[in-house]
Amino acid sequence: DVKVTQSSRYLVKRTGEKVFLECVQDMDHENMFWYRQDPGLGLRLIYFSYDVKMKEKGDIPEGYSVSREKKERFSLILESASTNQTSMYLCASVNRGPSNGELFFGEGSRLTVL
Amino acid sequence: ELKVEQNPLFLSMQEGKNYTIYCNYSTTSDRLYWYRQDPGKSLESLFVLLSNGAVKQEGRLMASLDTKARLSTLHITAAVHDLSATYFCAVEGTSGTYKYIFGTGTRLKVLA
Repeated sequence: DVKVTQSSRYLVKRTGEKVFLECVQDMDHENMFWYRQDPGLGLRLIYFSYDVKMKEKGDIPEGYSVSREKKERFSLILESASTNQTSMYLCASVNRGPSNGELFFGEGSRLTVL
Repeated sequence: ELKVEQNPLFLSMQEGKNYTIYCNYSTTSDRLYWYRQDPGKSLESLFVLLSNGAVKQEGRLMASLDTKARLSTLHITAAVHDLSATYFCAVEGTSGTYKYIFGTGTRLKVLA
């Protein structure tokens, strides 16, 4: 089974702190994603990556950056956390092919910024 | 810009009843995905719909895709309590961009 592991399930940070959220997948997937999930807003795409060192902005990249130095690892960085970044963050990966393409999700990281 | 809308946002239904969740999207796409999320859990894949007219069924759930109408439906037959969850549809943007956009979700509660 595909496994997507997020490093922290729960984090509490203070405004202005730098926050790293890490995600590792074990199925050699090419594409990885970071979403945030907020009540009533569904999942919103922050960044995605289709190859090592490649990244693309999603719909809400402001205040975030990402790093993909190795194929299996995709990190989300909040340079200076703010209270409006309190949310559930979900990492996902996929190897999109002609007969598949569903994302595999990690368990999520719930971030609270005080 | 690709937008995905689901309705209803909330659905409370009695066990044994049928209902349909709708997913509309704004630009051309021939791939659509349905996911389920239980409270406090992550998302798991339910269906992958890859072409116009695709229909997939699993137990009491059936999903279909009409790419001309830019519409997918998730039909629930004879609902049971275990189906209570939040259901999301997701559409892939322009082929090859690998950009998956999700709807806002439909929170389903099946009452015994």
